[in-house]
Amino acid sequence: NAGVTQTPKFQVLKTGQSMTLQCAQDMNHNSMYWYRQDPGMGLRLIYYSASEGTTDKGEVPNGYNVSRLNKREFSLRLESAAPSQTSVYFCASSGDRVVWYFGPGTRLLVL
Amino acid sequence: GDSVTQMEGPVTLSEEAFLTINCTYTATGYPSLFWYVQYPGEGLQLLLKATKADDKGSNKGFEATYRKETTSFHLEKGSVQVSDSAVYFCALTGSGGSNYKLTFGKGTLLTVNP
Repeated sequence: NAGVTQTPKFQVLKTGQSMTLQCAQDMNHNSMYWYRQDPGMGLRLIYYSASEGTTDKGEVPNGYNVSRLNKREFSLRLESAAPSQTSVYFCASSGDRVVWYFGPGTRLLVL
Repeated sequence: GDSVTQMEGPVTLSEEAFLTINCTYTATGYPSLFWYVQYPGEGLQLLLKATKADDKGSNKGFEATYRKETTSFHLEKGSVQVSDSAVYFCALTGSGGSNYKLTFGKGTLLTVNP
């Protein structure tokens, strides 16, 4: 039981490049989330998926797109990376919206 | 909307000292309250939770009591250890239709020196 896994662990991009962050969970959870963590800002919700086939914007969705590929997988795409997207990205899942499980994070540096 | 305010850090303590990290919240209805901990280089782990007023969450010697009258959920530990050094986040989920996400405070960095 791996919980929530994320790939890659670390990535460096140049401004304008694109990339997709992958997330998978093996707990059969309906809800999945993408957060970003910035110093002094806590964690802010980018997008979430309440169930397979649905996605909704969170607090800071600009510059991102998501895909709920199936019940297990929820990917985050940066179409044209900007330095302001330098951050640590966390994926999370929840089965009951009482307990959330977080992945280990992806550190992204945009030059 | 929902919000969480927690004390600014960093907090530096000596081993065996008493810890308090203050957390207050703004939310409608009856939110559920959480403390998450993030050890260096890792993701977030649930430390404790309380889902209704006057509940006390506890884990690993940490405690927090859900006080609706003061809208607070302060984290306490009687005797901290070096291994408790981490960032601590207070968080909530709203009640009813706003329970779809966790809303976090900004985090408090705790450093415990031997």
